[in-house]
Amino acid sequence: ETGVTQSPTHLIKTRGQQVTLRCSSQSGHNTVSWYQQALGQGPQFIFQYYREEENGRGNFPPRFSGLQFPNYSSELNVNALELDDSALYLCASSSGQGYNEQFFGPGTRLTVL
Amino acid sequence: GENVEQHPSTLSVQEGDSAVIKCTYSDSASNYFPWYKQELGKRPQLIIDIRSNVGEKKDQRIAVTLNKTAKHFSLHITETQPEDSAVYFCAASSVAGSARQLTFGSGTQLTVLP
Repeated sequence: ETGVTQSPTHLIKTRGQQVTLRCSSQSGHNTVSWYQQALGQGPQFIFQYYREEENGRGNFPPRFSGLQFPNYSSELNVNALELDDSALYLCASSSGQGYNEQFFGPGTRLTVL
Repeated sequence: GENVEQHPSTLSVQEGDSAVIKCTYSDSASNYFPWYKQELGKRPQLIIDIRSNVGEKKDQRIAVTLNKTAKHFSLHITETQPEDSAVYFCAASSVAGSARQLTFGSGTQLTVLP
């Protein structure tokens, strides 16, 4: 098992609400990437944080936002939830901005009703 | 942006047989290709990876090959066991802003029949 942890494990929200998901990176890792995994599909890149700055973003609208803290932990915030936001949200930590090997956390299962 | 296609979507093999999963990518700048295994309800786990300066890498029963010219890479599992049953994802690492993002294939459900 990797040292990447996420909370909560499961979450149920209603359409229009806001949600915050949390991720603690593996010891020694300063980069956190967030992915959305819909049922039966591969993870899709949302964005990446390095040294508390967003340094890359996938094809997700601005209502998906994030933060990284000085201890390299990270949050993913989603505003104005839509039904299609129901998915497994995974964070992955890695060492360095260009270092490629990423280790995933267990994910947060978000259900939007 | 990068596009990764993965085949087949499902694969059933008899225990002891070999399994091969193939992926193609579109961005010639991609330089890192990991493979992840995801069991039901679990996190994706890195099982093997290959960088673009290498054509083949092997780790016990698992091997990956990369053809940069053709932009395709493959996962080979030999002497399959029931515990190899899972969904396997290939990915390619490409640039997104200042970041290196992973673009994943759609996954292959591997079932090893005892």
